[in-house]
Amino acid sequence: GQSLEQPSEVTAVEGAIVQINCTYQTSGFYGLSWYQQHDGGAPTFLSYNALDGLEETGRFSSFLSRSDSYGYLLLQELQMKDSASYFCAVKDNQGGKLIFGQGTELSVKP
Amino acid sequence: NAGVTQTPKFQVLKTGQSMTLQCAQDMNHEYMSWYRQDPGMGLRLIHYSVGAGITDQGEVPNGYNVSRSTTEDFPLRLLSAAPSQTSVYFCASSRRTSGYQETQYFGPGTRLLVL
Repeated sequence: GQSLEQPSEVTAVEGAIVQINCTYQTSGFYGLSWYQQHDGGAPTFLSYNALDGLEETGRFSSFLSRSDSYGYLLLQELQMKDSASYFCAVKDNQGGKLIFGQGTELSVKP
Repeated sequence: NAGVTQTPKFQVLKTGQSMTLQCAQDMNHEYMSWYRQDPGMGLRLIHYSVGAGITDQGEVPNGYNVSRSTTEDFPLRLLSAAPSQTSVYFCASSRRTSGYQETQYFGPGTRLLVL
């Protein structure tokens, strides 16, 4: 089976940088992805790491280390609109189902 | 494209009632799935399908049935509603590529209250 762990809450100020960590246990997987969900809304895709290393998409970057079973999402130049929940997810290679972590609620303060 | 649509948006049921949550996508995606979201519990996979005629259980399948007769539709049936099934339900779809992950597109959700 799979399990993912993320911090439940993170608080940061506008303009700062914040890192949201994700550790996982899985018997085999195709990569780590990140989704954003604003309160009451549907989750939306942010980024995906199939290989070790850093992937950058504008203000957001995501990192994966398969040897450490660890990844993180890095948000730079934080804006108030970045206040949301962030989920890491893995797709297993036994059937292809996508499993999510419990989510990290990010609060951006002025 | 409408993307992923879900109906109804909100539903109140009494304990023991049955109902079907509808999900449809117009992107010709092979992979479809149902999640429930409860406070502090994240998104938990109920059932998923890798193509028409193929379904499988996720993490929390008890009390729910699914079928996939067409590529477009993936309804979720609650057989006998219980208060523990009060939740927000999300349907998602993606292209099914062999191996690497593809982007999941989520519907707007159905908010279910079981009294």
